Order: sequence, then C-alpha cells, then structure tokens
Amino acid sequence: GDSVTQMEGPVTLSEEAFLTINCTYTATGYPSLFWYVQYPGEGLQLLLKATKADDKGSNKGFEATYRKETTSFHLEKGSVQVSDSAVYFCLLDDMRFGAGTRLTVKP
Amino acid sequence: GAVVSQHPSRVICKSGTSVKIECRSLDFQATTMFWYRQFPKQSLMLMATSNEGSKATYEQGVEKDKFLINHASLTLSTLTVTSAHPEDSSFYICSARAATSGGYEQYFGPGTRLTVT
Repeated sequence: GDSVTQMEGPVTLSEEAFLTINCTYTATGYPSLFWYVQYPGEGLQLLLKATKADDKGSNKGFEATYRKETTSFHLEKGSVQVSDSAVYFCLLDDMRFGAGTRLTVKP
Repeated sequence: GAVVSQHPSRVICKSGTSVKIECRSLDFQATTMFWYRQFPKQSLMLMATSNEGSKATYEQGVEKDKFLINHASLTLSTLTVTSAHPEDSSFYICSARAATSGGYEQYFGPGTRLTVT
C-alpha cells in the first residue's frame, strides 16, 4: 500500500543553519504531498503542499519540491530560527503520516 | 481559515467505561473526516476514515467494535471508545477535508487527551 518514509531525527541545529528533512513516498498514481508542523503544545498546521510533479510548495521560508523521479518531497529551509523548533510531518494524500521529525534550533 | 473543533479536550474515565469524542467542522462541510491516535513523541497513526452517511473504513489492526465512529452529518463525526482500558490512553486527533476550487484542504482538530484509569 501507499506509504511515506521520513527522516526521524531528532535534529538539532544552531540558528541560521540550513535544514533538510527527507521524505520519500511509495504510492500508486500521483498523490498530493504535504508537510505539517506541530509546535509545542499546539495542533497540527499545514506548512506547505504540492499536488503534482515538479510543484514547489513554500511557506515561512520553507520549501519542498515534488520530485516524481526520486519519489521525494524533502523539506528545506536556508536559515532556521529558534521559533522553527517543532515536529515536522510529511503526509501523503491518503492521510498517512511519516514518523515525524523533531527539530530543535538553538540560539 | 477553516476550523475543526474537538470536544472534550481532555477526559479521564475509569476502566470499563465508554467515552465519546466529538469532532466538528465549524465553518465548512466535511464529507470526509479522519481519526488518528498519537502516542507521546510519536507520529499520528491513522485509525479510520469516515464518510458522511456511510460506515467508517478502519485501518488494519484497529478494532471497529472498540472504536465506534459515527459521521451522521457533514459537520460532525464522533469516536466512541467502548469499554476503555488503560492501554487506550492516548491523544486522539480528528481531521476534516474541505473541498476547494483547487481540490481539497485538510484541517486538523486540536486533539483530545484520553486517560483511562
């Protein structure tokens, strides 16, 4: 069945460092792909999405490109901030989540 | 943006009793709702997909007689944990799908923390 594999972490970075969180998927057809974020004590929020191959989703400095050839949707940010500390989830459009990656950004 | 509410936010119940959790889409109609459980520091595990007016589709390994899901209207789905036991203690999250011009959007509730004593 469809599934998503996500780099589990945890990931600890210094402020202004470059972030990559890997996400690959297995699916029949061409699913939509999402990144959600869960800040401490808060509910899940949509961070960005892409609905077809080569789409790039972006929000709050985060980007992810839907790459059909590598079945990937890696999340990137050029310069992380302390406020980016959260858990990040990759999601397939059949609503299956990746394992989640806990990011801690230190000042 | 669209809002999904859950009630209650926290519930403590005794072992052997049943507890009902409500999930409401407040300003949109949701033909499909999803129920998840999340253990501490773990990902969300999809339990079931609920379509309005029809029986829920449960994921493999989820006991449908234990986790009763009802989706009686386009704005309300309920999850009833029957004969709860301590191992059912968890964080339960619902999400609702809203149709948009570009396809759909998915909105998540804030979650319900269930503690079974």
